[in-house]
Amino acid sequence: GAGVSQSPSNKVTEKGKDVELRCDPISGHTALYWYRQSLGQGLEFLIYFQGNSAPDKSGLPSDRFSAERTGGSVSTLTIQRTQQEDSAVYLCASSAPDRGMWGYTFGSGTRLTVV
Amino acid sequence: QKEVEQDPGPLSVPEGAIVSLNCTYSNSAFQYFMWYRQYSRKGPELLMYTYSSGNKEDGRFTAQVDKSSKYISLFIRDSQPSDSATYLCAMTRAGAGSYQLTFGKGTKLSVIP
Repeated sequence: GAGVSQSPSNKVTEKGKDVELRCDPISGHTALYWYRQSLGQGLEFLIYFQGNSAPDKSGLPSDRFSAERTGGSVSTLTIQRTQQEDSAVYLCASSAPDRGMWGYTFGSGTRLTVV
Repeated sequence: QKEVEQDPGPLSVPEGAIVSLNCTYSNSAFQYFMWYRQYSRKGPELLMYTYSSGNKEDGRFTAQVDKSSKYISLFIRDSQPSDSATYLCAMTRAGAGSYQLTFGKGTKLSVIP
């Protein structure tokens, strides 16, 4: 597709359940990033992928959070045993090899609500 | 103190007004500065970027960086209702790890017809 696609667009889950969030980056974009946007907190970096490897996972808030990327394309962010403080918009972005920080294209995000 | 501070607003101006948005930061290692625009229920989109100090102009938009004061600004001339959005500043350091952007919380702007 022409842009970064994220699914689902909205997710309501019960506290304690696991959730999977999906990101389809722009074709050919080798770098992929996950950010979290909480009310009043702004965007916070979670993890960076280059190809299928994640050289920087420093933003993942706890070991309940994990992410993987397969085939240099689709990425999945998994949150286990969700808590109410996990409620936020989870944004994925990708960039082309020669664009780096200037070439972020964000998806529209997944709005996660933990009840 | 957060690394990047940005007044969340909301800011409401009449159509045609000049809008001034700004951020302050504390990390002197930041070298690259960006402004993103985010419409409701959409992801942020890159509006402008600058390297180090100075000004950059693009149409109705002007970005300014003052590294000595650790202060960046975005000016919007002849504001339009379509400019109504949340504006996020972002910045990063040079070299390794430059992919990791640090964002302000965003300023919500409404341009009233």
